[in-house]
Amino acid sequence: GESVGLHLPTLSVQEGDNSIINCAYSNSASDYFIWYKQESGKGPQFIIDIRSNMDKRQGQRVTVLLNKTVKHLSLQIAATQPGDSAVYFCASNAGNMLTFGGGTRLMVKP
Amino acid sequence: DTAVSQTPKYLVTQMGNDKSIKCEQNLGHDTMYWYKQDSKKFLKIMFSYNNKELIINETVPNRFSPKSPDKAHLNLHINSLELGDSAVYFCASSQGALQPQHFGDGTRLSIL
Repeated sequence: GESVGLHLPTLSVQEGDNSIINCAYSNSASDYFIWYKQESGKGPQFIIDIRSNMDKRQGQRVTVLLNKTVKHLSLQIAATQPGDSAVYFCASNAGNMLTFGGGTRLMVKP
Repeated sequence: DTAVSQTPKYLVTQMGNDKSIKCEQNLGHDTMYWYKQDSKKFLKIMFSYNNKELIINETVPNRFSPKSPDKAHLNLHINSLELGDSAVYFCASSQGALQPQHFGDGTRLSIL
């Protein structure tokens, strides 16, 4: 999940399993949330976003869940593939600015 | 047909030098950003420009000066480089403030 610690949290999953990456945010006024995937040597790539008037949004193989009560966001990846291996970041807004979480490394075992 | 492109990809230089990083987007977006990503992958916004005007400046030392000649370009000039400036710098753009941001592939700056 979101972390400001000294190392990246790592989630290791078997290929074909579902992955769930969690994120906590702190600003109760945040109303826009977004997930990014960052592969080695590349910039963050947009996956999916959600606004605070929704609690669930689905994309292709991905679902974002938003729980505003506990200020929690999760990204679910169905049938995880080796190409999903990357660092995943959540971000939430503070006014017109995005604040990024510390990232979670997803490792997919073949 | 790269959407957000930044140059150079790698920049190795000595402490005290001045350097620039260029960014261009061909998405027609109004808003552009500079982010700094440290060795622990923490991504922090530095600047945001909307239609060539500065709208966010996140307590960045004034050695860093962004310049936007037009809304498709946002360059970053850094004076008197310090060891702590070593990081990966990302440019991004979006259609508006709370819209998905599209990132370039980063410039890895290493200060010797």
